[in-house]
Amino acid sequence: KAGVTQTPRYLIKTRGQQVTLSCSPISGHRSVSWYQQTPGQGLQFLFEYFSETQRNKGNFPGRFSGRQFSNSRSEMNVSTLELGDSALYLCASSLVGQGASRETQYFGPGTRLLVL
Amino acid sequence: DQQVKQNSPSLSVQEGRISILNCDYTNSMFDYFLWYKKYPAEGPTFLISISSIKDKNEDGRFTVFLNKSAKHLSLHIVPSQPGDSAVYFCAASDNNNDMRFGAGTRLTVKP
Repeated sequence: KAGVTQTPRYLIKTRGQQVTLSCSPISGHRSVSWYQQTPGQGLQFLFEYFSETQRNKGNFPGRFSGRQFSNSRSEMNVSTLELGDSALYLCASSLVGQGASRETQYFGPGTRLLVL
Repeated sequence: DQQVKQNSPSLSVQEGRISILNCDYTNSMFDYFLWYKKYPAEGPTFLISISSIKDKNEDGRFTVFLNKSAKHLSLHIVPSQPGDSAVYFCAASDNNNDMRFGAGTRLTVKP
């Protein structure tokens, strides 16, 4: 099975612009979660999507949004970019995500965003 | 709010010795804990997990210990190998699989 893929791998934007990142989960996985990784902060949970619905949300401002398509692919959008948004954005997929199964999340390689 | 804390940003050990990575959590609703390993330019990969009904889980050279009363878990790697050099993230989840990660510990294993 192909792993989780994320595009683009690297991105440079300027303050005020917006950006859209894409994530394709492992085939058959329906849950997609997004994380922001910055030095010293670890992985901060952004949101989780399941069956095209946002199921969980972290403590990020409304500039951060996402969506999931019927094929489980997910996009994340950040509007009005700020310098502090520079980070590695990771996407992770799992079969169902919630419940007693406690599945492992499989991560993509990430998109490194630099805001100038 | 940092519900999962890894207070050591880095750790250096000699090849063949034991590596001990520590993690503390504050949320008593967490009942499932995981360790992920991350190499540069790659996403984190799952290493080992433990449920709160256990206090130890072992997988080859990797053992995770859980002390629920202290809200503390640790990952032991023995013997450590140079290929183990990576950033290790501790993660905790509750029954809704709401997962929180620590800031990571960079392990360097010297030959």
